[in-house]
Amino acid sequence: NAGVMQNPRHLVRRRGQEARLRCSPMKGHSHVYWYRQLPEEGLKFMVYLQKENIIDESGMPKERFSAEFPKEGPSILRIQQVVRGDSAAYFCASSPPQGINYGYTFGSGTRLTVV
Amino acid sequence: AQSVAQPEDQVNVAEGNPLTVKCTYSVSGNPYLFWYVQYPNRGLQFLLKYITGDNLVKGSYGFEAEFNKSQTSFHLKKPSALVSDSALYFCAVRDRRDDKIIFGKGTRLHILP
Repeated sequence: NAGVMQNPRHLVRRRGQEARLRCSPMKGHSHVYWYRQLPEEGLKFMVYLQKENIIDESGMPKERFSAEFPKEGPSILRIQQVVRGDSAAYFCASSPPQGINYGYTFGSGTRLTVV
Repeated sequence: AQSVAQPEDQVNVAEGNPLTVKCTYSVSGNPYLFWYVQYPNRGLQFLLKYITGDNLVKGSYGFEAEFNKSQTSFHLKKPSALVSDSALYFCAVRDRRDDKIIFGKGTRLHILP
């Protein structure tokens, strides 16, 4: 039973390019959460999705960032026209449909570097 | 809205000594509380949780935490620290009426040999 899979592990983009980060939840998990970790800061909640639905996007920047979790396939966090300030580690977590009483399972993260 | 405070950016402890990493929280209802650990260039690993019941919770690697409702605290403890415990520790809280978990800024734990 594979854990939460994130790819790529490392991603380098030039300013102005697009970044696509993928997250495959654990088998049987239908809830996905994205967090961003900036240097010397904690984990900041970005968005919570269920299949084909965005449940809570209160932590998403208003521009350039979007997320989806289609019926088939991984969840995607998309950052358009990246800037240096987007450089961070992005973590995905998943939980089962009956809720997150038992916390999340995290992926190993994608480290985005914007040059 | 819920929030978590970890007042110490860094904690240094000699190997073999007891350790405490502090955490206080704020939620409008009854909380779910968690501790996670992050090793360099890795994701977060679950250590322990408080859902209900006994205020003293035991978790992985010999760690434990005590839920104190009156002080709204959930401090992480270990009786005897190991060098391998050196890592970044995150306290987290979830309001039972919400589905997302909010994390503190993290405390870097250094165990000195």
